[in-house]
Amino acid sequence: ETGVTQTPRHLVMGMTNKKSLKCEQHLGHNAMYWYKQSAKKPLELMFVYSLEERVENNSVPSRFSPECPNSSHLFLHLHTLQPEDSALYLCASSQDWTSGVYEQYFGPGTRLTVT
Amino acid sequence: GQNIDQPTEMTATEGAIVQINCTYQTSGFNGLFWYQQHAGEAPTFLSYNVLDGLEEKGRFSSFLSRSKGYSYLLLKELQMKDSASYLCAVIDSNYQLIWGAGTKLIIKP
Repeated sequence: ETGVTQTPRHLVMGMTNKKSLKCEQHLGHNAMYWYKQSAKKPLELMFVYSLEERVENNSVPSRFSPECPNSSHLFLHLHTLQPEDSALYLCASSQDWTSGVYEQYFGPGTRLTVT
Repeated sequence: GQNIDQPTEMTATEGAIVQINCTYQTSGFNGLFWYQQHAGEAPTFLSYNVLDGLEEKGRFSSFLSRSKGYSYLLLKELQMKDSASYLCAVIDSNYQLIWGAGTKLIIKP
């Protein structure tokens, strides 16, 4: 596997379910990100991890819970979601969080539908 | 507040040239990215500008004017595979990446 991978690619869940999204990067990067992408809206940064420490949490509801067990893996745990949480969830990684140029490499995303 | 403006949608003809504009108002500036995103796929990096001027990379070029808060992506010799969304993103003074909503480019034969 190369680049950034995400599983599952598609997920349908009820509002009372608990599920997790998984991201893995094979690039040796130090920073990983979770984004939410809704139709016709800018990418919304949810969480940033740098060297496994959370450095950014953009006022995300507590029903989204990130976990970064090591620099290659990132999870997003989901519980009691709302229909408006239906979106494409993208994971990305970059060489560094604080350097001036940090091109981000994205995974293919998980298309989440909350019913 | 911080804002990135791009046209929502543009249409162009195969073989032609198209310019996608991006204007920004951010707290500081540390660079500007363009990404391409095909439907159902991940965004992929196209270009990075931090100094004024034109950066050329094959059929794609990106221009930046920091004094005007303005950038454009120029696509030449358009191909059907260029049909995608093009995302503009600016790094602000806190090294936060501020994203535009993207421009959907439709290429017609």
